[in-house]
Amino acid sequence: AQSVTQLGSHVSVSEGALVLLRCNYSSSVPPYLFWYVQYPNQGLQLLLKYTSAATLVKGINGFEAEFKKSETSFHLTKPSAHMSDAAEYFCAVSDPPTDKLIFGTGTRLQVFP
Amino acid sequence: DSGVTQTPKHLITATGQRVTLRCSPRSGDLSVYWYQQSLDQGLQFLIQYYNGEERAKGNILERFSAQQFPDLHSELNLSSLELGDSALYFCASSAGLYNEQFFGPGTRLTVL
Repeated sequence: AQSVTQLGSHVSVSEGALVLLRCNYSSSVPPYLFWYVQYPNQGLQLLLKYTSAATLVKGINGFEAEFKKSETSFHLTKPSAHMSDAAEYFCAVSDPPTDKLIFGTGTRLQVFP
Repeated sequence: DSGVTQTPKHLITATGQRVTLRCSPRSGDLSVYWYQQSLDQGLQFLIQYYNGEERAKGNILERFSAQQFPDLHSELNLSSLELGDSALYFCASSAGLYNEQFFGPGTRLTVL
């Protein structure tokens, strides 16, 4: 069965600092991987997705993620954090033959001025 | 705004009761998914419908059921409610298999 593990339930950075949120996946087949963001009292919004094309995936709001098969990782990065990036971030993998999403436990990002 | 609407936004009810959550997918999307978000279990997939037919089932309790209607809106029915059913219930929709899933704002269910 597919699964994802997010390391670190809370990450704190200063405004302008690098953001790195970690995600490792377990998949028996080439996976489709996703990062979603959830702002307080809102639904989930897709940041980016990997579907076996380029290994470096660029998303919205300056985020990007790199698929590394050798490390079974799909870490999310942003070069310079902004206060508005404070939210909860979820890594997810699709579960073939369905396309239901299996989510990690989430990482809450805090950004300090 | 994802284009997916969910009603009601909040629902407070008592143990043993039955409720219905409603979801309208984005225009043109045939696939509807239901997810539950709770502190205990995190985000979990419940069930998926595609063009009116059940396509996939997750860890959905027997007390829960869902359907997708000809106009493609979906309803999630929760019965014999327990305190542990208190959670955020999200609906998502997509155009087809492995397409991006767009999430609605959720329905927050509180069972007292």
